[in-house]
Amino acid sequence: NAGVTQTPKFQVLKTGQSMTLQCAQDMNHNSMYWYRQDPGMGLRLIYYSASEGTTDKGEVPNGYNVSRLNKREFSLRLESAAPSQTSVYFCASIRTTLPDTQYFGPGTRLTVL
Amino acid sequence: GQQLNQSPQSMFIQEGEDVSMNCTSSSIFNTWLWYKQDPGEGPVLLIALYKAGELTSNGRLTAQFGITRKDSFLNISASIPSDVGIYFCAGSFGNEKLTFGTGTRLTIIP
Repeated sequence: NAGVTQTPKFQVLKTGQSMTLQCAQDMNHNSMYWYRQDPGMGLRLIYYSASEGTTDKGEVPNGYNVSRLNKREFSLRLESAAPSQTSVYFCASIRTTLPDTQYFGPGTRLTVL
Repeated sequence: GQQLNQSPQSMFIQEGEDVSMNCTSSSIFNTWLWYKQDPGEGPVLLIALYKAGELTSNGRLTAQFGITRKDSFLNISASIPSDVGIYFCAGSFGNEKLTFGTGTRLTIIP
């Protein structure tokens, strides 16, 4: 039982490049989330998926797209990376038997030059 | 978007001291959570609170859900080196979306 896994751990992009951040959970959770963490800002919600086949915008969705591929996987895509998207990205899933208890992945550190 | 006011922003303490931090919101929450984040890792849940006035412990950690439902407190007793990290509060209205505080960075002075 690996919990929530994320790939890659580190990535450097040039402005305008695209990439997809991968997330998977093996806890059979329905809801999954993508956050970004910037210094002094805490975690801000980018997108979330309450169930397979559904996605909704969070607080800071601009510049991102998501795909809930199946119950296990939730990917975050940057179509045209910008320096303002330099951040640490965390994926999380929630255990619905105990509302609002989220489990986080180890994070992806992204730098956009 | 809304973020919770968490204080203090940072703390420098000696090993063995007790620690107190708090989180306040302009809105009422149904759930308060406290997380700890180690360098290079994702946040890990420490304590979850689901009822106003609730006091819950997890080892040396004790957290309280404020009576007004607009605040929460976390205390750490007899701090040890592994307590170093960033502590985040988070609140929820019960819709599975969390609002996070800006974090309290705890440093233990040798």
